Amino acid sequence: AQSVTQPDIHITVSEGASLELRCNYSYGATPYLFWYVQSPGQGLQLLLKYFSGDTLVQGIKGFEAEFKRSQSSFNLRKPSVHWSDAAEYFCAVGGKGPGSARQLTFGSGTQLTVLP
Amino acid sequence: KAGVTQTPRYLIKTRGQQVTLSCSPISGHRSVSWYQQTPGQGLQFLFEYFSETQRNKGNFPGRFSGRQFSNSRSEMNVSTLELGDSALYLCASSLAGDNSYNEQFFGPGTRLTVL
Repeated sequence: AQSVTQPDIHITVSEGASLELRCNYSYGATPYLFWYVQSPGQGLQLLLKYFSGDTLVQGIKGFEAEFKRSQSSFNLRKPSVHWSDAAEYFCAVGGKGPGSARQLTFGSGTQLTVLP
Repeated sequence: KAGVTQTPRYLIKTRGQQVTLSCSPISGHRSVSWYQQTPGQGLQFLFEYFSETQRNKGNFPGRFSGRQFSNSRSEMNVSTLELGDSALYLCASSLAGDNSYNEQFFGPGTRLTVL
């Protein structure tokens, strides 16, 4: 069974500082990998995704993530955090079997607080 | 293009009642997936519908059911509500015509409170 672990429940950074959110996954092969962001009272917005190829993927809002097969990780990074980045971030994995790409397994989320 | 819409946005029910939530996907999208989000269990996949057929199902009891109409709109139903069903129910739509991945676009969710 696939699973996703986000070891940091809550992270606090100062505005302008760099950010790295950790994500480890468990899956039998290389899965589809995603990072979503959720603001209070909102649904989920896709930041970026990895399917194959270049292991460093760029997303929206200046985010990037790096897939490391040897570590089963897909960490999210941003060089300079803005106050508007405060939200909850979810890492997710989707399979590659029939229909399973849309059956996402989510991590427990990391709440990001940005200090002025 | 309008996004995914979910109605109602908020709902309060009592134990034992049943509830129906609605999701209208983005125009042209034929796949609709449902997720439950709770503080304790996080985000969990409920089921996915495509062309009026349930294509995938998560690990939820039979009290949770859904359907999809010919216009791709979807409803999910929860019967005999329990306190633990209090959650944010998210709907996501995608083009998803085959086994490949198409981005899922999420709606704002329906906040269900069971008293």
